[in-house]
Amino acid sequence: DAKTTQPTSMDCAEGRAANLPCNHSTISGNEYVYWYRQIHSQGPQYIIHGLKNNETNEMASLIITEDRKSSTLILPHATLRDTAVYYCIAHNLEYTGANSKLTFGKGITLSVRP
Amino acid sequence: EAQVTQNPRYLITVTGKKLTVTCSQNMNHEYMSWYRQDPGLGLRQIYYSMNVEVTDKGDVPEGYKVSRKEKRNFPLILESPSPNQTSLYFCASSKSRILAELYEQYFGPGTRLTVT
Repeated sequence: DAKTTQPTSMDCAEGRAANLPCNHSTISGNEYVYWYRQIHSQGPQYIIHGLKNNETNEMASLIITEDRKSSTLILPHATLRDTAVYYCIAHNLEYTGANSKLTFGKGITLSVRP
Repeated sequence: EAQVTQNPRYLITVTGKKLTVTCSQNMNHEYMSWYRQDPGLGLRQIYYSMNVEVTDKGDVPEGYKVSRKEKRNFPLILESPSPNQTSLYFCASSKSRILAELYEQYFGPGTRLTVT
Protein backbone atom coordinates (compact mmCIF):
# COMPACT_ATOMS: atom_id res chain seq x y z
CA ASP A 1 0.00 0.00 0.00
CA ALA A 2 1.23 3.48 -0.84
CA LYS A 3 2.58 5.65 1.94
CA THR A 4 0.47 8.69 2.73
CA THR A 5 1.65 11.95 4.24
CA GLN A 6 -0.51 14.40 6.12
CA PRO A 7 0.22 17.59 8.05
CA THR A 8 0.25 17.09 11.79
CA SER A 9 -2.57 19.44 12.59
CA MET A 10 -4.81 22.21 11.37
CA ASP A 11 -7.73 24.21 12.63
CA CYS A 12 -10.73 25.93 11.18
CA ALA A 13 -13.61 28.03 12.36
CA GLU A 14 -16.97 26.48 13.04
CA GLY A 15 -19.26 26.76 10.05
CA ARG A 16 -16.42 27.12 7.58
CA ALA A 17 -15.16 24.46 5.21
CA ALA A 18 -12.31 22.30 6.46
CA ASN A 19 -9.94 21.17 3.70
CA LEU A 20 -7.69 18.34 4.83
CA PRO A 21 -4.82 17.50 2.46
CA CYS A 22 -3.13 14.16 1.91
CA ASN A 23 -0.14 13.31 -0.22
CA HIS A 24 0.17 9.85 -1.77
CA SER A 25 2.71 10.39 -4.51
CA THR A 26 3.57 6.70 -4.91
CA ILE A 27 0.00 5.49 -5.24
CA SER A 28 -0.53 2.79 -7.84
CA GLY A 29 -3.37 2.47 -10.30
CA ASN A 30 -5.39 -0.02 -8.28
CA GLU A 31 -5.16 1.69 -4.92
CA TYR A 32 -8.16 3.44 -3.50
CA VAL A 33 -7.85 6.39 -1.12
CA TYR A 34 -9.81 5.99 2.12
CA TRP A 35 -10.52 8.53 4.81
CA TYR A 36 -11.40 7.70 8.40
CA ARG A 37 -11.60 9.81 11.49
CA GLN A 38 -11.35 9.10 15.19
CA ILE A 39 -12.89 11.32 17.78
CA HIS A 40 -10.98 11.03 21.04
CA SER A 41 -11.14 7.44 22.37
CA GLN A 42 -14.12 6.56 20.17
CA GLY A 43 -14.06 3.95 17.42
CA PRO A 44 -12.67 5.03 14.07
CA GLN A 45 -15.37 6.16 11.68
CA TYR A 46 -15.35 5.54 7.94
CA ILE A 47 -15.89 8.76 5.99
CA ILE A 48 -15.41 8.22 2.27
CA HIS A 49 -13.23 6.56 -0.34
CA GLY A 50 -12.42 7.02 -4.00
CA LEU A 51 -10.23 5.89 -6.85
CA LYS A 52 -9.89 8.77 -9.27
CA ASN A 53 -13.17 10.58 -9.56
CA ASN A 54 -14.31 13.07 -6.99
CA GLU A 55 -16.72 11.59 -4.49
CA THR A 56 -19.33 13.11 -2.22
CA ASN A 57 -21.51 11.69 0.49
CA GLU A 58 -23.51 13.07 3.39
CA MET A 59 -20.39 13.56 5.47
CA ALA A 60 -17.78 14.95 3.12
CA SER A 61 -16.34 15.37 -0.35
CA LEU A 62 -13.16 13.78 -1.61
CA ILE A 63 -11.21 15.54 -4.32
CA ILE A 64 -8.44 13.48 -5.96
CA THR A 65 -6.00 15.22 -8.28
CA GLU A 66 -5.85 14.07 -11.86
CA ASP A 67 -2.42 12.49 -11.36
CA ARG A 68 -3.75 10.84 -8.16
CA LYS A 69 -0.70 11.93 -6.19
CA SER A 70 -2.73 13.85 -3.66
CA SER A 71 -6.25 14.30 -2.39
CA THR A 72 -8.27 16.64 -0.20
CA LEU A 73 -11.07 15.76 2.16
CA ILE A 74 -13.57 18.58 2.47
CA LEU A 75 -15.97 18.97 5.36
CA PRO A 76 -18.21 21.67 3.94
CA HIS A 77 -19.50 23.17 7.19
CA ALA A 78 -17.31 22.10 10.09
CA THR A 79 -18.85 21.81 13.53
CA LEU A 80 -17.26 21.37 16.93
CA ARG A 81 -18.14 17.68 16.73
CA ASP A 82 -15.83 17.33 13.73
CA THR A 83 -12.80 17.86 15.96
CA ALA A 84 -10.92 14.59 15.54
CA VAL A 85 -7.88 12.89 14.07
CA TYR A 86 -8.40 12.26 10.36
CA TYR A 87 -6.58 9.43 8.63
CA CYS A 88 -5.90 9.15 4.92
CA ILE A 89 -4.89 5.66 3.78
CA ALA A 90 -4.34 3.97 0.46
CA HIS A 91 -5.23 0.36 -0.07
CA ASN A 92 -4.20 -1.98 -2.82
CA LEU A 93 -7.18 -3.92 -4.05
CA GLU A 94 -5.22 -6.86 -5.42
CA TYR A 95 -6.18 -9.55 -2.98
CA THR A 96 -3.17 -10.99 -1.19
CA GLY A 97 -4.75 -13.20 1.40
CA ALA A 98 -4.57 -11.59 4.83
CA ASN A 99 -4.74 -8.05 3.50
CA SER A 100 -7.84 -7.01 5.39
CA LYS A 101 -6.43 -4.81 8.10
CA LEU A 102 -6.64 -1.07 8.23
CA THR A 103 -3.31 0.59 8.93
CA PHE A 104 -3.54 4.15 10.14
CA GLY A 105 -0.60 6.50 10.20
CA LYS A 106 -0.43 9.46 12.55
CA GLY A 107 -3.22 11.32 10.78
CA ILE A 108 -4.02 15.00 10.97
CA THR A 109 -5.61 16.51 14.05
CA LEU A 110 -8.38 18.87 13.07
CA SER A 111 -9.46 21.35 15.71
CA VAL A 112 -12.67 23.22 15.01
CA ARG A 113 -12.85 26.44 16.98
CA PRO A 114 -16.07 28.23 17.94
CA GLU B 1 -29.95 1.78 13.78
CA ALA B 2 -27.08 0.06 12.01
CA GLN B 3 -24.29 -0.43 14.48
CA VAL B 4 -21.53 -2.48 16.01
CA THR B 5 -21.88 -2.97 19.74
CA GLN B 6 -19.28 -4.08 22.24
CA ASN B 7 -19.60 -5.15 25.85
CA PRO B 8 -18.37 -4.31 28.33
CA ARG B 9 -17.23 -0.78 27.52
CA TYR B 10 -14.87 -0.70 30.50
CA LEU B 11 -13.32 -3.58 32.40
CA ILE B 12 -10.74 -3.81 35.14
CA THR B 13 -9.59 -7.33 35.90
CA VAL B 14 -6.71 -9.26 37.41
CA THR B 15 -4.02 -11.32 35.79
CA GLY B 16 -5.16 -14.79 34.81
CA LYS B 17 -8.90 -14.31 35.15
CA LYS B 18 -10.53 -15.37 31.90
CA LEU B 19 -12.70 -12.81 30.21
CA THR B 20 -14.75 -12.36 27.07
CA VAL B 21 -15.47 -9.14 25.21
CA THR B 22 -18.54 -9.46 23.06
CA CYS B 23 -19.03 -7.88 19.66
CA SER B 24 -22.24 -7.85 17.69
CA GLN B 25 -23.28 -6.20 14.44
CA ASN B 26 -26.79 -5.84 13.03
CA MET B 27 -25.84 -5.09 9.42
CA ASN B 28 -25.53 -8.68 8.17
CA HIS B 29 -21.86 -8.04 7.48
CA GLU B 30 -19.67 -10.94 6.39
CA TYR B 31 -16.36 -9.62 7.66
CA MET B 32 -15.48 -8.86 11.29
CA SER B 33 -12.23 -7.98 12.96
CA TRP B 34 -10.68 -7.13 16.30
CA TYR B 35 -8.09 -4.41 16.78
CA ARG B 36 -6.25 -3.07 19.77
CA GLN B 37 -5.05 0.49 20.01
CA ASP B 38 -2.13 1.56 22.16
CA PRO B 39 -0.45 4.98 22.42
CA GLY B 40 2.35 5.30 19.92
CA LEU B 41 1.55 1.94 18.30
CA GLY B 42 -1.62 2.83 16.47
CA LEU B 43 -4.27 0.30 15.54
CA ARG B 44 -3.13 -3.32 15.36
CA GLN B 45 -5.24 -6.18 14.12
CA ILE B 46 -5.66 -9.15 16.46
CA TYR B 47 -7.92 -11.54 14.57
CA TYR B 48 -10.36 -11.32 11.71
CA SER B 49 -13.11 -13.39 10.21
CA MET B 50 -14.12 -13.42 6.57
CA ASN B 51 -17.32 -15.34 7.29
CA VAL B 52 -19.00 -17.74 9.73
CA GLU B 53 -16.63 -20.43 11.02
CA VAL B 54 -13.67 -18.78 9.25
CA THR B 55 -11.15 -16.94 11.41
CA ASP B 56 -7.54 -15.91 10.86
CA LYS B 57 -4.75 -14.36 12.86
CA GLY B 58 -3.90 -10.73 12.45
CA ASP B 59 -0.66 -9.11 13.51
CA VAL B 60 -0.90 -9.61 17.29
CA PRO B 61 -2.93 -12.77 18.02
CA GLU B 62 -0.91 -14.09 20.96
CA GLY B 63 -2.97 -14.39 24.12
CA TYR B 64 -6.32 -14.06 22.34
CA LYS B 65 -8.92 -16.38 20.94
CA VAL B 66 -11.99 -15.71 18.82
CA SER B 67 -14.92 -17.61 17.43
CA ARG B 68 -17.48 -16.92 14.72
CA LYS B 69 -20.38 -19.28 15.21
CA GLU B 70 -22.97 -16.81 13.98
CA LYS B 71 -22.68 -14.07 11.43
CA ARG B 72 -23.56 -11.26 13.82
CA ASN B 73 -21.27 -12.14 16.75
CA PHE B 74 -17.51 -12.21 17.06
CA PRO B 75 -16.40 -12.50 20.70
CA LEU B 76 -12.81 -11.90 21.80
CA ILE B 77 -11.60 -14.23 24.51
CA LEU B 78 -8.64 -13.68 26.80
CA GLU B 79 -8.02 -17.03 28.46
CA SER B 80 -5.37 -15.75 30.88
CA PRO B 81 -5.09 -11.97 30.67
CA SER B 82 -1.80 -10.29 31.43
CA PRO B 83 -0.94 -6.63 32.09
CA ASN B 84 0.48 -6.22 28.57
CA GLN B 85 -3.05 -6.77 27.27
CA THR B 86 -4.18 -3.56 28.90
CA SER B 87 -5.44 -1.63 25.91
CA LEU B 88 -8.37 -0.10 24.04
CA TYR B 89 -10.07 -2.74 21.93
CA PHE B 90 -12.21 -2.18 18.87
CA CYS B 91 -14.39 -4.54 16.94
CA ALA B 92 -15.09 -3.73 13.31
CA SER B 93 -17.20 -5.14 10.51
CA SER B 94 -17.58 -4.67 6.79
CA LYS B 95 -20.14 -5.79 4.28
CA SER B 96 -18.17 -8.37 2.38
CA ARG B 97 -14.83 -9.73 1.26
CA ILE B 98 -14.99 -7.73 -1.96
CA LEU B 99 -11.96 -5.57 -1.40
CA ALA B 100 -13.51 -2.19 -2.07
CA GLU B 101 -16.11 -3.03 0.57
CA LEU B 102 -13.64 -4.78 2.89
CA TYR B 103 -11.83 -1.56 3.70
CA GLU B 104 -15.07 0.29 4.42
CA GLN B 105 -15.13 -0.87 8.01
CA TYR B 106 -17.56 0.10 10.76
CA PHE B 107 -16.23 0.17 14.28
CA GLY B 108 -17.73 -0.41 17.67
CA PRO B 109 -17.37 2.14 20.48
CA GLY B 110 -14.41 0.40 22.06
CA THR B 111 -13.68 -1.56 25.23
CA ARG B 112 -11.11 -0.17 27.59
CA LEU B 113 -9.47 -3.08 29.38
CA THR B 114 -7.12 -2.80 32.32
CA VAL B 115 -5.35 -5.91 33.61
CA THR B 116 -3.64 -5.54 36.98
